[in-house]
Amino acid sequence: GESVGLHLPTLSVQEGDNSIINCAYSNSASDYFIWYKQESGKGPQFIIDIRSNMDKRQGQRVTVLLNKTVKHLSLQIAATQPGDSAVYFCAENTGRRALTFGSGTRLQVQP
Amino acid sequence: DGGITQSPKYLFRKEGQNVTLSCEQNLNHDAMYWYRQDPGQGLRLIYYSQIVNDFQKGDIAEGYSVSREKKESFPLTVTSAQKNPTAFYLCASSSSGTDTQYFGPGTRLTVL
Repeated sequence: GESVGLHLPTLSVQEGDNSIINCAYSNSASDYFIWYKQESGKGPQFIIDIRSNMDKRQGQRVTVLLNKTVKHLSLQIAATQPGDSAVYFCAENTGRRALTFGSGTRLQVQP
Repeated sequence: DGGITQSPKYLFRKEGQNVTLSCEQNLNHDAMYWYRQDPGQGLRLIYYSQIVNDFQKGDIAEGYSVSREKKESFPLTVTSAQKNPTAFYLCASSSSGTDTQYFGPGTRLTVL
């Protein structure tokens, strides 16, 4: 069935290290992917997006990689900071109606 | 100051009562959405609207109702028929149904 899921529910990293958050999707028709960051008690915040005609997209300290062959999406955060601690969601859009969200990965940054 | 606002931030309701959550956006977005989030869980779609005066059920619409009389407003009513309404409710909007969704700050509803 159609689904978006994450491999790791919790990721703990040291401040200054790079973080990699992974996401698997099963719908090959998905053509648009988004990463959101959600801090406790707040709404999700847009981080970066990528369309299916791209393999990589870079933002400020973040990079999203898309591997359509294995239906895998990843978010890389460079030089992780305490302020990066949050839950990260990937979401996909197949163009039908609305986004489908994964269950989220909690990133904990240790000082 | 553009964005999406939700009110109230916290809401308490007695069992058997209906309650309406407000969502307003001044981004001139056509599409608006309501999601429910339970502790430690992802977002589940309740209702969405692609255009004024039109809306569709999402994955968990039972016990909820919406209206879209104005482009900037998409209120959600949690009815007494919703068996487990305690949750964090998030409203979002996008320029179209296939574009990036931007979220409001959320309303935490607690049923006493």
